[in-house]
Amino acid sequence: QVQLVQSGAEVKKPGASVRVSCKASGYTFTSYDINWVRQATGQGLEWMGWVSPITGATGYAQQFQGRVSLTRDISMTTAYMELSGLTSEDTATYYCVSVNFDNWGQGTLVTVSS
Amino acid sequence: NFMLTQPHSVSEFLGKTVTISCTRTSGSIASHFIQWFQQRPGSSPTSLIYENDERSSGVPERFSASIARFSNSASLTISGLRPEDEAVYYCQAYDGVTVVFGGGTKLTVL
Repeated sequence: QVQLVQSGAEVKKPGASVRVSCKASGYTFTSYDINWVRQATGQGLEWMGWVSPITGATGYAQQFQGRVSLTRDISMTTAYMELSGLTSEDTATYYCVSVNFDNWGQGTLVTVSS
Repeated sequence: NFMLTQPHSVSEFLGKTVTISCTRTSGSIASHFIQWFQQRPGSSPTSLIYENDERSSGVPERFSASIARFSNSASLTISGLRPEDEAVYYCQAYDGVTVVFGGGTKLTVL
């Protein structure tokens, strides 16, 4: 079955960067884009961007342009989300999503605190 | 860019039917497929409906959806409400460049 397993929770200081990984299995990794979505506690879903596993092409939501980088490692069937210039407003659970938004990772809580 | 507007909350009694709306603020609701997600407390979202009205794998027939051009909105209908349907429901659309989520509707089953 399709599984997206994300890396563990992170605590970062303001101004730092964070990288979250998403290990995919159970399907052909190169067949579906991987999207990243975040959710602040008690808030709604916010789309961040997508990465094409086969080409590495990316698309980002305007509010994250210049601050987020989505990459992938085909050999490891793993996608990565790196967010820089963290502020307290980036405290949220970050999800990777694939197979046409049918499959979601378990989420990674990123806490930004001094 | 457009937005998808959902009611903040709805409530209905056990066994009854509820409909959740999702209104597109600009452009036609028919321009891009609508997808619906359910998120139970403490869990990741799961896909319920894709391509406006197609049930995702394993989703019961109690869940159905449609779009209405006259109101420029999409609707998710849940019949025979069960306690486990209590969750937040999100609509979503992809316009080929960006993905837009509605703000989410919290369903309370009374």
